[in-house]
Amino acid sequence: AQSVTQLGSHVSVSEGALVLLRCNYSSSVPPYLFWYVQYPNQGLQLLLKYTSAATLVKGINGFEAEFKKSETSFHLTKPSAHMSDAAEYFCAVTLSGGYNKLIFGAGTRLAVHP
Amino acid sequence: DTAVSQTPKYLVTQMGNDKSIKCEQNLGHDTMYWYKQDSKKFLKIMFSYNNKELIINETVPNRFSPKSPDKAHLNLHINSLELGDSAVYFCASSQGLDTRLYGNTIYFGEGSWLTVV
Repeated sequence: AQSVTQLGSHVSVSEGALVLLRCNYSSSVPPYLFWYVQYPNQGLQLLLKYTSAATLVKGINGFEAEFKKSETSFHLTKPSAHMSDAAEYFCAVTLSGGYNKLIFGAGTRLAVHP
Repeated sequence: DTAVSQTPKYLVTQMGNDKSIKCEQNLGHDTMYWYKQDSKKFLKIMFSYNNKELIINETVPNRFSPKSPDKAHLNLHINSLELGDSAVYFCASSQGLDTRLYGNTIYFGEGSWLTVV
């Protein structure tokens, strides 16, 4: 069975600083991996996804993530945080084959301070 | 144009009532889902439908009954509401069910905030 672990339920950074949100997965078969963002009182928006093509994936709003099979990780980064990046971020996994069923991590709340 | 739209966005109701949340997608997708986000923000799949057929039912109480009149709509009806049903319910859709054949991005609606008092 697949699972996702997000290390750190809360991350706080200064505006302009590097953002690093950690995600580790467990899957018995090659996974597809996703990062979604949820702004306050809003729905889930797809930031980026890994589907077995390039291991470095670029997404919207300057975010990117790197799939590292040896570390079973898919960490999300952004070189310079902006105040508007403050939100809840969810890492999710689904199987590369079989029914499309996202398994989510517990989420990481990103706070950005001036 | 909203790709996945659900109504109502906010719903406050008393215990024991029956309520419905409606969902429509205009993406031409074959597969639709309901996810539940609890008070700790944890997201979990409840149901998935493919071309109006129930595919996944994640041991959800039978007080929850999804209905798909056509592949663009997936409504969620909840009977005898309980306090523990308070949550955000997200409707979602994807092009198809099989991640290999149809791509795998799931698009979410804006959510319906249900509060049971």
